[in-house]
Amino acid sequence: AQSVTQLGSHVSVSEGALVLLRCNYSSSVPPYLFWYVQYPNQGLQLLLKYTSAATLVKGINGFEAEFKKSETSFHLTKPSAHMSDAAEYFCAVSPSNTGKLIFGQGTTLQVKP
Amino acid sequence: GAGVSQSPSNKVTEKGKDVELRCDPISGHTALYWYRQSLGQGLEFLIYFQGNSAPDKSGLPSDRFSAERTGGSVSTLTIQRTQQEDSAVYLCASSLDWRNYGYTFGSGTRLTVV
Repeated sequence: AQSVTQLGSHVSVSEGALVLLRCNYSSSVPPYLFWYVQYPNQGLQLLLKYTSAATLVKGINGFEAEFKKSETSFHLTKPSAHMSDAAEYFCAVSPSNTGKLIFGQGTTLQVKP
Repeated sequence: GAGVSQSPSNKVTEKGKDVELRCDPISGHTALYWYRQSLGQGLEFLIYFQGNSAPDKSGLPSDRFSAERTGGSVSTLTIQRTQQEDSAVYLCASSLDWRNYGYTFGSGTRLTVV
């Protein structure tokens, strides 16, 4: 069965520092991969997605992620954290043609002033 | 509509009662998904609709859970004889072309069973 592992349930960075949120997946076929962000009391918002085109994917709010097949990873990065980036981030894989998502456990990002 | 609308936003119910949660997807989105988000289990897939049929209902946790979709639009998730472990946020998402555009999620219904 396909799965997603997010390393670190909580990540804390200083404002202006690099953000790195880790995601590894298991998949027997080339996957569709997604990063979503969830702000308090809101639904999930798509940050970016990998769908077998370019391996470096740029998303909204300055985030990007690189698909590395050899490492089965899809880590999310942002060069400089803003206070408004504080939220919970979910990595997800779509293992089937139906498009249903398998989510990681989520990483809460804290940004310190 | 402009987004995925879910109602009610909050629901408190007594153990043993039935509840209905509603999802109004974006107009024209043929695919609709229900997920459950709880502290212990994270985000779990419940059921997928394509049009009015549900080719994948593998995530429904028990036969107390059912869902339907009518007119290729509105969907209702029904939980019968609610239990405390049903307390969670129930999220709905819709998509026209998930491979290229991903999904749009609603804000969810927070269900509390007391």
